[in-house]
Amino acid sequence: KAGVTQTPRYLIKTRGQQVTLSCSPISGHRSVSWYQQTPGQGLQFLFEYFSETQRNKGNFPGRFSGRQFSNSRSEMNVSTLELGDSALYLCASSSSGGSEAFFGQGTRLTVV
Amino acid sequence: GESVGLHLPTLSVQEGDNSIINCAYSNSASDYFIWYKQESGKGPQFIIDIRSNMDKRQGQRVTVLLNKTVKHLSLQIAATQPGDSAVYFCAGGGRRALTFGSGTRLQVQP
Repeated sequence: KAGVTQTPRYLIKTRGQQVTLSCSPISGHRSVSWYQQTPGQGLQFLFEYFSETQRNKGNFPGRFSGRQFSNSRSEMNVSTLELGDSALYLCASSSSGGSEAFFGQGTRLTVV
Repeated sequence: GESVGLHLPTLSVQEGDNSIINCAYSNSASDYFIWYKQESGKGPQFIIDIRSNMDKRQGQRVTVLLNKTVKHLSLQIAATQPGDSAVYFCAGGGRRALTFGSGTRLQVQP
């Protein structure tokens, strides 16, 4: 069974640009959560999607958004990038019913 | 909201010794507490979890202890191996909206 796949693995963007990151969950998993990991703030929850609906949201500005498609694949978008958005963005998938979350390897975003 | 922290940023142990990594939490309403291991360049990997109505759970070479009285969580790794070298995070809250601690880097000395 393939794991959680995140693309791209690395990304460099300029301040003010926008970026879209993609996450393909484990087959059969309908829940996808997104996290931001930085040296200063650690791992912080962004949002969670289940069956194309956002169920939970962390404490991030509206520049951070996401969506989920009918095949459970998810994308997150960050608009008007700031230097502080440089981070490792992690996606985790889980099946319904409270099972463990499986993380992808992340997308490392660098904003210059 | 949930606040989860760790006592030590780095823990150095000798190969073969037991390791104990500690974590404190603030939100008593967490349903689960989970330990993750993150190796360089990889995403967090699930190690073991414990429901809030339990005080101990054992896995393969790992044991998690939960002390709800003092809101403390610990991960014990038996016979620590070089492959255990990583950053360890405790996390709490709902499974799909976790609050992570800052992490402890475990260094295993040969």
